[in-house]
Amino acid sequence: GAGVSQSPRYKVAKRGQDVALRCDPISGHVSLFWYQQALGQGPEFLTYFQNEAQLDKSGLPSDRFFAERPEGSVSTLKIQRTQQEDSAVYLCASSPTGRGRETQYFGPGTRLLVL
Amino acid sequence: AQSVTQPDIHITVSEGASLELRCNYSYGATPYLFWYVQSPGQGLQLLLKYFSGDTLVQGIKGFEAEFKRSQSSFNLRKPSVHWSDAAEYFCAVGGFGNEKLTFGTGTRLTIIP
Repeated sequence: GAGVSQSPRYKVAKRGQDVALRCDPISGHVSLFWYQQALGQGPEFLTYFQNEAQLDKSGLPSDRFFAERPEGSVSTLKIQRTQQEDSAVYLCASSPTGRGRETQYFGPGTRLLVL
Repeated sequence: AQSVTQPDIHITVSEGASLELRCNYSYGATPYLFWYVQSPGQGLQLLLKYFSGDTLVQGIKGFEAEFKRSQSSFNLRKPSVHWSDAAEYFCAVGGFGNEKLTFGTGTRLTIIP
């Protein structure tokens, strides 16, 4: 079946622009995660949804970052007034129920470059 | 706080040689441990995971890892590498009731003929 998909795959933004990154999880997966991967680093947790409820947003670096999953399927990560330090790959992952021992299935990521 | 250390930033091995990638973790309870592989332009793919039971776990593509609680380690091994194994490898830790994963900084594996 289809895996996790993300769009766009690449995004170039001018500093100060707002961007929206989309994630389509595997159909039926309850849990959805967003991670940020800076160049040469491992992914870092941003936020986590179970269905439409955002249960953990402790990793969001500032109030410029906002995520939503209004119908419990597709999710959007929005970054307002982008800054150069926001340049990174943004990874989305989903899992069937979100229990810790479950595999998280990752999408290919959106590479964001802020100029 | 939970953390993962991958001490080797870059490893080069010859095709057909054995491989061991190191991973040390810090976690306040029983950890769930994962190894993921990332090829250029690709998402992360799970190689194997450990959450309980036998401390030696087998994964895909001929990889295995051993959980050693006394050493807080979860090293990844493969007896004979193939050129297609060249990629970035990430170790990660999570736990019961802790859905988010904490990743290490990764080890880049280069295979030489």
